[in-house]
Amino acid sequence: ETGVTQSPTHLIKTRGQQVTLRCSSQSGHNTVSWYQQALGQGPQFIFQYYREEENGRGNFPPRFSGLQFPNYSSELNVNALELDDSALYLCASSWTGSGAEAFFGQGTRLTVV
Amino acid sequence: SQQGEEDPQALSIQEGENATMNCSYKTSINNLQWYRQNSGRGLVHLILIRSNEREKHSGRLRVTLDTSKKSSSLLITASRAADTASYFCATDRVQTGANNLFFGTGTRLTVIP
Repeated sequence: ETGVTQSPTHLIKTRGQQVTLRCSSQSGHNTVSWYQQALGQGPQFIFQYYREEENGRGNFPPRFSGLQFPNYSSELNVNALELDDSALYLCASSWTGSGAEAFFGQGTRLTVV
Repeated sequence: SQQGEEDPQALSIQEGENATMNCSYKTSINNLQWYRQNSGRGLVHLILIRSNEREKHSGRLRVTLDTSKKSSSLLITASRAADTASYFCATDRVQTGANNLFFGTGTRLTVIP
């Protein structure tokens, strides 16, 4: 157990809908990152939040957005869901700074139908 | 798109044998990390090697890094059935924010009892 919790664990949505995924960081960590992992692929970096500000973004469209709260928990929001958004979404928390170990949650499995 | 590649994509060995996985990447890095994932669940951090290091050990794990060739290898010695999992390398790139990790495509390791 890493201390990083994600909710829900599984979710089914219809194309065009919006979804919010949640992540509770490990105690004391001030940085949270989100990743998308399609079946059979490695995780792809979506974005990172530090002190409630976006601190780096991967190659994902603006309909992927996020928030970080003062307690360092975080949300990932995806609007106008597409079938290709079906994936495992992983949250990772860490201290800021290169080389800090990232602790991953168990992920949210999103299925878009 | 993935930022790196592991090879082989799949590896099957007998318990007690050594397993070697390789990773190549494309950009300058601060560090390279190896992660393990069981059956599409969360990622577990195994080991981190910094760009100025060439070799690192942790228990049965040995990691090497060759920045001139932009490649790394992970060696698991005396493998066990419990080592069956997917293994990913991830790079912390110089050009992007700290701890924005870019993962490879993964090696699926099967250890036969």
